[in-house]
Amino acid sequence: DTGVSQDPRHKITKRGQNVTFRCDPISEHNRLYWYRQTLGQGPEFLTYFQNEAQLEKSRLLSDRFSAERPKGSFSTLEIQRTEQGDSAMYLCASSLVGLGGTEAFFGQGTRLTVV
Amino acid sequence: AQTVTQSQPEMSVQEAETVTLSCTYDTSESDYYLFWYKQPPSRQMILVIRQEAYKQQNATENRFSVNFQKAAKSFSLKISDSQLGDAAMYFCALTGTASKLTFGTGTRLQVTL
Repeated sequence: DTGVSQDPRHKITKRGQNVTFRCDPISEHNRLYWYRQTLGQGPEFLTYFQNEAQLEKSRLLSDRFSAERPKGSFSTLEIQRTEQGDSAMYLCASSLVGLGGTEAFFGQGTRLTVV
Repeated sequence: AQTVTQSQPEMSVQEAETVTLSCTYDTSESDYYLFWYKQPPSRQMILVIRQEAYKQQNATENRFSVNFQKAAKSFSLKISDSQLGDAAMYFCALTGTASKLTFGTGTRLQVTL
């Protein structure tokens, strides 16, 4: 296992279109997180899963955003009816909780540009 | 709510010199962890160093060390013998029982010859 992988790395879409991103965490990690990072800012928490259960969603996650983690493995983040304000880097991270392992490992991110 | 503040948007250090990046935080939790993450240009974020709040001893990882002042809610990162490869954005982050990270706005570190 080489780490957290995200696909695609870059996505350009027209305003109003739907987009879906995928994250494959480190295989033994039971926690998976989504963050959004805009230019010049630190990542902001969006949501996280423990196994297949979505345990928390940020107020940043509007109704147009939905995330899933079927079977507790990979996760998808979908944005419906994209807006220019959705342009950002979307980061996925995973961690192993329960062994004092609160270290999160990050993927390289998906950069979304809405035109 | 948790907050992390990095008051230095940019720092510069000469190669082989030492630099300190500042971070202050606020949390109502008694059990928490603090981290410094490094984000090189166009590359993924990687962990530099972590500190458990219950430990009084400051964490050290090779050339990287922290000065953790719990009462002052301060968590600075010292990079010794700076190298060109240290140039990156550095983010201070905090997590509590939920294990979700709260990040600061970052400090861009430049390393000059």
